[in-house]
Amino acid sequence: GAVVSQHPSWVICKSGTSVKIECRSLDFQATTMFWYRQFPKQSLMLMATSNEGSKATYEQGVEKDKFLINHASLTLSTLTVTSAHPEDSSFYICSAMAYRTYSYEQYFGPGTRLTVT
Amino acid sequence: KQEVTQIPAALSVPEGENLVLNCSFTDSAIYNLQWFRQDPGKGLTSLLLIQSSQREQTSGRLNASLDKSSGRSTLYIAASQPGDSATYLCAVGSQGNLIFGKGTKLSVKP
Repeated sequence: GAVVSQHPSWVICKSGTSVKIECRSLDFQATTMFWYRQFPKQSLMLMATSNEGSKATYEQGVEKDKFLINHASLTLSTLTVTSAHPEDSSFYICSAMAYRTYSYEQYFGPGTRLTVT
Repeated sequence: KQEVTQIPAALSVPEGENLVLNCSFTDSAIYNLQWFRQDPGKGLTSLLLIQSSQREQTSGRLNASLDKSSGRSTLYIAASQPGDSATYLCAVGSQGNLIFGKGTKLSVKP
């Protein structure tokens, strides 16, 4: 159990266009999902916390108008990179939170590789 | 602000060696600590999760320990294999958030 999927797994887009990435919890409901970004040879950096039915909470330095997050259901959160630029090229990973025996745990998706040309 | 540090940044060992990866964190008020494996260009695979009340967890050739008071965790890999080559990430959990270290890139040579 606790499987998280992401779609697409990779995408190439032109500078100035928008790209939407989906994150789904396949076998559990998640009121909270997280979006991370990972640059080459760097660790995962939390971008935002996505809460079902409410506005996302963004980390310092992350532009909320550029990275639009929608968490419309208990199994789906989307991240839209608007007016993408080459510096937005990165590996985007989502996770979905579930409460287990002792604490909350995050289950990670396989990631989406975004390349902006 | 929680900071997670992993040492060493990279490690190369011959096949069969036992090895230890280190993780330290600055704020001991954590809910859990998790070790992940990440292969190049791939997502994360959870290896071991240690709750704050626990001292260690074991899975196969892997053993992770947690010393909350000193802000340290170690991941012990026994009898390393080339298939263990990957980046190992340590992450501390606090109120649902995970703070990641930069990882240790492990290379096991046949």
